[in-house]
Amino acid sequence: NAGVTQTPKFQVLKTGQSMTLQCAQDMNHNSMYWYRQDPGMGLRLIYYSASEGTTDKGEVPNGYNVSRLNKREFSLRLESAAPSQTSVYFCASSPRQRNTGELFFGEGSRLTVL
Amino acid sequence: SQELEQSPQSLIVQEGKNLTINCTSSKTLYGLYWYKQKYGEGLIFLMMLQKGGEEKSHEKITAKLDEKKQQSSLHITASQPSHAGIYLCGGFTGGFKTIFGAGTRLFVKA
Repeated sequence: NAGVTQTPKFQVLKTGQSMTLQCAQDMNHNSMYWYRQDPGMGLRLIYYSASEGTTDKGEVPNGYNVSRLNKREFSLRLESAAPSQTSVYFCASSPRQRNTGELFFGEGSRLTVL
Repeated sequence: SQELEQSPQSLIVQEGKNLTINCTSSKTLYGLYWYKQKYGEGLIFLMMLQKGGEEKSHEKITAKLDEKKQQSSLHITASQPSHAGIYLCGGFTGGFKTIFGAGTRLFVKA
């Protein structure tokens, strides 16, 4: 089972460039999430999608957009990358429509913005 | 500021020794979750605690949630190199949001 798959695993961008992080899950989960992980900060929620067709802001949404393309896929877009967006990004999914904390994570995407 | 405080931030133990990691919330939690992250990899779900006073074990790892559901401890007995990694606690406070502590980096010396 693939579980939650993220691409790319590594990316280097220049300030102002745009890119999209892709996430797909094959567990038929309803909810999907994007987190960023920074040293000393733990995981912070960027956006989430409770179900297909809905998206909502998390703690740190500024500078990001998301698309829940279908039940399987949830993408995160940086329109104009900034050095402050250098981080490790994790996609996660949950079997429940309401987040009860039981999250299944991808392996992460390490993004560096120069 | 972190809504979930983890301590210690890092820990170095000799193989075979016991250790405890703590997680404290400023709010009462509906659920408390422990995850393990191997360096450079994703997070693996370890345990979920929902009831005050609840205790769960998985192999040599035991987690407890206090009666007020604001504090949890993760205890590893007879640590092994395979236990090395980052341990994160996650707290569910309602809605769609799970908040996370900053993590505890565990190193096990062989």
